[in-house]
Formats: sequence, structure tokens, C-alpha cells
Amino acid sequence: DQQVKQNSPSLSVQEGRISILNCDYTNSMFDYFLWYKKYPAEGPTFLISISSIKDKNEDGRFTVFLNKSAKHLSLHIVPSQPGDSAVYFCAARRNTGNQFYFGTGTSLTVIP
Amino acid sequence: DTGVSQNPRHKITKRGQNVTFRCDPISEHNRLYWYRQTLGQGPEFLTYFQNEAQLEKSRLLSDRFSAERPKGSFSTLEIQRTEQGDSAMYLCASSLSGGDGDTQYFGPGTRLTVL
Repeated sequence: DQQVKQNSPSLSVQEGRISILNCDYTNSMFDYFLWYKKYPAEGPTFLISISSIKDKNEDGRFTVFLNKSAKHLSLHIVPSQPGDSAVYFCAARRNTGNQFYFGTGTSLTVIP
Repeated sequence: DTGVSQNPRHKITKRGQNVTFRCDPISEHNRLYWYRQTLGQGPEFLTYFQNEAQLEKSRLLSDRFSAERPKGSFSTLEIQRTEQGDSAMYLCASSLSGGDGDTQYFGPGTRLTVL
């Protein structure tokens, strides 16, 4: 039962444009959400997070938006750079534990 | 380097053999997690320690899998009588309880291949 879903396996964007990565979840008990970036042969690297009490969190070029009513999360990268090319995972945590549930990832390619 | 480290990075073994992996978390982190990742999937939770206590175990963690964190620092994950279906990347992560939402920081992983 996939509680966190990333329905786009891949995304290609031109350098300098906006990248939008989407994530949907099913469990209303999730209260903390994160995005991780993963390069080949490395572990996931933490990128940005958001608590369920907020609807937006921004860190430099990265902004995460949370729409609780739609159970939808998105990551915006502006402007996109070739070094952003990686697999991006969305993750969520329940308010009653410490287990993180991950989506299946979206492979982003930023074209120079 | 003060990040999470894992050893070995790669392990090739024959079906039926036992394997053990080690994880050294970020030194001040009291929580440690093990995940498994297969091709095309996100990391799947296996188990979690707070200090030396194992507090959560996934149903994915069969009887052949055992994890320990004897002194609340490094952890080991052992797989007994390995099967081909155990081939995966095994990831370790650590976090500080109450700190930045318990954000988990991952190591580079151990890639297991069972022949």
C-alpha cells in the first residue's frame, strides 16, 4: 500500500526554467514532509522540509508547498540548474511515530 | 567527515550465506534507522533505534534479519541465510530527537548482491 505517491517517474526541464515536482499522499495522519535528492551510488540527501502547520517553506531556489485538503505536496526549483539533475524523493512522517514513508521518486533532468 | 558512514559499500554473497553491515551515525544523533531500497522504488523502512532500544520494526523485517545498536552508537544489520530477493541497497540514517523535525540524514548505503 503506497501511502506516498510520485506519479511522474521523470521530468525534463531547460536550464533556467522552473522545475515542479509533485507528490500525493493518502494518510491524513502525516504531519511532516520532506524532499530528498539522490545522485547515483549515493544515499539520499536532505533538501527541504515542511510541517503540516505551514503551507509553504522556502530555502533559496527551493520552495515546498503543502495543500493539506488535497493531500498534495510540490517542490519548486527556480531557476533550475544542470547540477539539480538527480532523483527526487518525497517523504512523509506520521504524527505517531518516526517512520518515514517514501515515494518512488522522480528523475529530474535539467538540460543545459 | 562527520556524516553517516556505512560499511561495506558493496557486498556480493552466495545464497544461503550470512552477511553483516555496519552503520556509524552522526555522533550526536540518538536515533538510527535502517531502510532497504530496490530498483525503481523509494527507501522502505526496516527498523529504528532510539539510543540502544529498538522501538519499531517493519513487517518487512523477517526472522532472518536482525539489527542491534549495543551501545547506542553504531549499529549492525545482519541477514542470515540470504536469498536472491534480499539483493538491494541497504540504507542507514540518523536523526536527533526533537531537532529540526527529526530530519533523517542518510549514509551512502551498502549494496548487497546475492548470487
